[in-house]
Order: sequence, then structure tokens, then C-alpha cells
Amino acid sequence: KQEVTQIPAALSVPEGENLVLNCSFTDSAIYNLQWFRQDPGKGLTSLLLIQSSQREQTSGRLNASLDKSSGRSTLYIAASQPGDSATYLCAVVVTGNQFYFGTGTSLTVIP
Amino acid sequence: KAGVTQTPRYLIKTRGQQVTLSCSPISGHRSVSWYQQTPGQGLQFLFEYFSETQRNKGNFPGRFSGRQFSNSRSEMNVSTLELGDSALYLCASSVDTYGYTFGSGTRLTVV
Repeated sequence: KQEVTQIPAALSVPEGENLVLNCSFTDSAIYNLQWFRQDPGKGLTSLLLIQSSQREQTSGRLNASLDKSSGRSTLYIAASQPGDSATYLCAVVVTGNQFYFGTGTSLTVIP
Repeated sequence: KAGVTQTPRYLIKTRGQQVTLSCSPISGHRSVSWYQQTPGQGLQFLFEYFSETQRNKGNFPGRFSGRQFSNSRSEMNVSTLELGDSALYLCASSVDTYGYTFGSGTRLTVV
């Protein structure tokens, strides 16, 4: 069974700092990996999607990398802002279009 | 374009009752998946429908069921509600395996 782990569980950084969130998964047979953001009590907002054949994706201040062979992905956030405060979730899609989610990293950016 | 719409946003039910949640996917999306999010278990896959057929099912009891209509709208039903069914229920839609978009969810409270 696919297991997805995210480290750290919580992170608090001063505004302007660059940061890295980590995601690891146990089974490399994935279709793709997606990073989401979730604000308290809200649904999920897709940030970046990386197909299994890709190594990285970038959107604005966000960059996500994927190393399928080692079962790892990282989300890099540059020049963090208070508005980036949220829970970040990593999810892998396997056969049957099923997402396996990590438990998330709760990020607080201090002004 | 309109996103994934889930109704209702909030729901309070009594133990033993049943509930039906609705999800309208993005136009043109034929795959609809349902997830349950609780503080203790995180995000767990319920089931996925594609063109009115259930393609995949998670590890939930038979009290949880769903269906998809010809216009791709989906409903999920929970019968004989238990306190532990209190959760945020999220629906996601996709063309097929690429790029899921999530709705804002339905917050179900069972009292």
C-alpha cells in the first residue's frame, strides 16, 4: 500500500525566508504527484502537478521537484509571505485515479 | 470557467440518519472522486466514478455509497450516520488522470 510522508509536520519562518517542504512515498509506480494548499476549513487548491515523466514544475515563487526512483518530492517556496501561511499537502496518483495524501505541513510565515 | 461545486457547504445531522451530498464537476470532466478528511485520519479516498461507473473504491463500509449521473454530476450517500462520520467531504474532478480540481467541500457534523 502506498504511504506518503511529509516532513516537517509544522514550520514557522520569518517573512522573506526561502523554505523547502519534503514529501516521500513508498511505491514509485505513480502516475503523477500534486502539491496542494489548504486554508483552514477550506478545500484544496492545486499548486503544482508533476507527471511521472517530469523532474520539476515551476509556478511563480513555487518550484516542485520529483525524484521517482527515490520516492521523493520537494516543494520550494521562495521569498515567503504571510499569505503563504496554510497547510501544504502532497499527493500521489496511482492506478485507479486514487490519490494518496500525506498528512501535510502546516506553514506559518511571521510578518 | 466554473470550478467544482459542492452542496451543501454545511450540514448537521443526527446519529442514525442518512445524508446525501452533491458534487458538480467542471464542465467536460468525466472523472469524479470523493474524499473524507478528518483530523485523525487525514484525507482518505472514498470512491471514483468515470462515465457513470465506479472505477475504484476505498476502504470504507457499505454505508458509504455513491453514484454518477449522465451529466457527470455525482452524489454520495451515507446511511445510518455515526459520530465518526463527522468530517469534511471533498469532491474532485478531472478529465481523466491528469490534474484534479477539488471543490470547497461539505462539512458534515453528526450529533
